[in-house]
Amino acid sequence: NAGVTQTPKFRILKIGQSMTLQCTQDMNHNYMYWYRQDPGMGLKLIYYSVGAGITDKGEVPNGYNVSRSTTEDFPLRLELAAPSQTSVYFCASNSGSSGANVLTFGAGSRLTVL
Amino acid sequence: DAKTTQPTSMDCAEGRAANLPCNHSTISGNEYVYWYRQIHSQGPQYIIHGLKNNETNEMASLIITEDRKSSTLILPHATLRDTAVYYCIVREGGAGTASKLTFGTGTRLQVTL
Repeated sequence: NAGVTQTPKFRILKIGQSMTLQCTQDMNHNYMYWYRQDPGMGLKLIYYSVGAGITDKGEVPNGYNVSRSTTEDFPLRLELAAPSQTSVYFCASNSGSSGANVLTFGAGSRLTVL
Repeated sequence: DAKTTQPTSMDCAEGRAANLPCNHSTISGNEYVYWYRQIHSQGPQYIIHGLKNNETNEMASLIITEDRKSSTLILPHATLRDTAVYYCIVREGGAGTASKLTFGTGTRLQVTL
């Protein structure tokens, strides 16, 4: 049982490049989330999804896009990378029923934009 | 969600109990207290949660005051591996709704020899 898996673990991008951070979970969770964490700060919610085909903005969605075509996968896309997007990105999921607000997090993806 | 206040940092000797306080004076009746921790830039890890009764699991104990305006997370025998940032979060139970949790800056617990 892998839980929440994120790839890649590390990535360096040039300004203006695009990329997709992958997130997959094998717990059949309906709810999935993307957070970012800047150095010394707490986590900020970027986007979330309550089920396949449904996504919604969190606190800091600008510069990002998401899709949820399956229950398992919730990729996060950066279209035009900017230095302000240098951060650690965490994907999380939960069932939304029993254990509400008990999130399982992935190990994180560290992104540097130069 | 109710706002929480935590000390920025705390130290604890290995083997001793670590008591991490959290103030949430504006908590409402249907809001739970959740604790997570984050070890050295790993993903946050759920520890425990409670509504009004004290709770205990294999990781920690949660003591909530009778007026629910504050709580304490207790790690009974802290080890070096408990060195982490601990987040106290207050939120409605929310079954059937998205868990848009707000992670502040938490308390940085340093366990020392």
